[in-house]
Amino acid sequence: GQQVMQIPQYQHVQEGEDFTTYCNSSTTLSNIQWYKQRPGGHPVFLIQLVKSGEVKKQKRLTFQFGEAKKNSSLHITATQTTDVGTYFCAGPLTGGGNKLTFGTGTQLKVEL
Amino acid sequence: DADVTQTPRNRITKTGKRIMLECSQTKGHDRMYWYRQDPGLGLRLIYYSFDVKDINKGEISDGYSVSRQAQAKFSLSLESAIPNQTALYFCATEDSWSSYNEQFFGPGTRLTVL
Repeated sequence: GQQVMQIPQYQHVQEGEDFTTYCNSSTTLSNIQWYKQRPGGHPVFLIQLVKSGEVKKQKRLTFQFGEAKKNSSLHITATQTTDVGTYFCAGPLTGGGNKLTFGTGTQLKVEL
Repeated sequence: DADVTQTPRNRITKTGKRIMLECSQTKGHDRMYWYRQDPGLGLRLIYYSFDVKDINKGEISDGYSVSRQAQAKFSLSLESAIPNQTALYFCATEDSWSSYNEQFFGPGTRLTVL
């Protein structure tokens, strides 16, 4: 079954509000990746985190990898309509080889 | 990415028919993957291949088979399609030599089984 869960499943925000999606794994991850899928599009790689407690920023996006390497978060400050899409986390589960297990995704809608 | 192409982009078929989805890449990557996407379930791995002679089952391989004809081509077959195989299918590639393990996805194939 699904071993990487994300919450919330859906989020509607007003433009300018902040947004956070959380990713939780049943096992430790050697790294965590984040992907964005625009409506009607395909997933596109955003970033990879490797170190315990690592924080990386890309403009208005902040990515964090948990100390235990079992959870991660993506925070978007002051959302814009261009942020609309579904955000997935993904990581190689311990004992799962090098293949990625994707999270269930969080669909973000931004209203003007 | 235009470097990863999938054909067909859309397909409607009937229960019991054999269907092949094709994926080609010009990125020179050694690893290739097939996923299916269903609402609320994210991306689930069907099969993956780390090189031409390597084929591995993923999380949901039942009812599917694959062929890695060359490093650049990875095909997914549904031997006898059933309605619950209606989904969006993505092919992805990865360069095992890259410092990042990022995957590059094709545009997807929307399959409907009636």
